[in-house]
Amino acid sequence: AAGVIQSPRHLIKEKRETATLKCYPIPRHDTVYWYQQGPGQDPQFLISFYEKMQSDKGSIPDRFSAQQFSDYHSELNMSSLELGDSALYFCASSRNGGRVGTGELFFGEGSRLTVL
Amino acid sequence: GENVEQHPSTLSVQEGDSAVIKCTYSDSASNYFPWYKQELGKRPQLIIDIRSNVGEKKDQRIAVTLNKTAKHFSLHITETQPEDSAVYFCAASRFGDYKLSFGAGTTVTVRA
Repeated sequence: AAGVIQSPRHLIKEKRETATLKCYPIPRHDTVYWYQQGPGQDPQFLISFYEKMQSDKGSIPDRFSAQQFSDYHSELNMSSLELGDSALYFCASSRNGGRVGTGELFFGEGSRLTVL
Repeated sequence: GENVEQHPSTLSVQEGDSAVIKCTYSDSASNYFPWYKQELGKRPQLIIDIRSNVGEKKDQRIAVTLNKTAKHFSLHITETQPEDSAVYFCAASRFGDYKLSFGAGTTVTVRA
């Protein structure tokens, strides 16, 4: 079965550079979520999109932005990167109206960002 | 917003014994409580979930209980096996929300 696809899997950037992460949800899933997970920490919710509109926002820095495109894939753009942005970034998708309570979140394998 | 607390942070059990992880949540409107298993460097994977209209749910060696009055829920793993070793996260969400709030995680080690 198709899963959530994230790219790139690994990314190394310098401080103050820009990075873009991509997420391709499971076909027919209408909601995409972005999570940031630091070493030894739980996943922290960043932002979500339902039917290409931002549906909720968490602890996402102003330096980060995201969007969902007409084909439902999503991109997370991170600018002015800081050392503390080094983390595993997960994308997840769901269906059934995008309401977490009605559908399981399926996580991608994650994109590991290292900021030097 | 929702605040989920999870205990213990680490748990070491002998193979064949049971493991119990407990979580509490703050938002009385939360009504969806999934549990995720995450192996090192891998993605979180749903192992079981429970909704607020149910007090208990079981799937083979895994069970989850929910006490809405006390706002806590627990994961029970029986007959633990080495492959159960991983980090387990509880989470909570409110119907209509578009996010999950995770607990801090429990690192479970099953000793052979």
